[in-house]
Amino acid sequence: GQQVMQIPQYQHVQEGEDFTTYCNSSTTLSNIQWYKQRPGGHPVFLIQLVKSGEVKKQKRLTFQFGEAKKNSSLHITATQTTDVGTYFCAGFSNDYKLSFGAGTTVTVRA
Amino acid sequence: KAGVTQTPRYLIKTRGQQVTLSCSPISGHRSVSWYQQTPGQGLQFLFEYFSETQRNKGNFPGRFSGRQFSNSRSEMNVSTLELGDSALYLCASSLVQGDTGYTFGSGTRLTVV
Repeated sequence: GQQVMQIPQYQHVQEGEDFTTYCNSSTTLSNIQWYKQRPGGHPVFLIQLVKSGEVKKQKRLTFQFGEAKKNSSLHITATQTTDVGTYFCAGFSNDYKLSFGAGTTVTVRA
Repeated sequence: KAGVTQTPRYLIKTRGQQVTLSCSPISGHRSVSWYQQTPGQGLQFLFEYFSETQRNKGNFPGRFSGRQFSNSRSEMNVSTLELGDSALYLCASSLVQGDTGYTFGSGTRLTVV
């Protein structure tokens, strides 16, 4: 079955620094979605990428979808304390199943 | 508009009991999915319903079951509870088929003792 791998599992970042989290699927995806879960909260939808090679930006967040539609990345610039949480990628396949990666838990040093 | 509502928020049950969790999706959303979240296993897909039909099922034992009603509200049931079933159970709804992003509820925290 479809597997979505996400690295790194943990990311400790100095405030103001940049970081990237990566997502890889064992199969080609219809689209990839990104979610953020704050500590004690529930996942919140951030964005969806559909097209091969697509790049989308949300303020300091940049999302990319690979050319083969099997990998994706989230890059955060100038990390702030509000970026704390766990970022999940989720691959949506043709059989309408959304498979989540294990998530990257981000902590920020002020 | 109201978000996804899950009840109850917290639940404590004893091994061997059964439990029913409820989820009311956003009005107009027809796709409802259920996930189990634990610290060690992350978000594990349980099942997805669309227009009262189970369209997908994850790799969970038959003790886990669900259903969706004509108003899109959904319930999941876990029978013969085990200690390992302790987790946060999340419901998520989508307008049509989940391919435009899901809205999650706050979850039901189930503790089995």
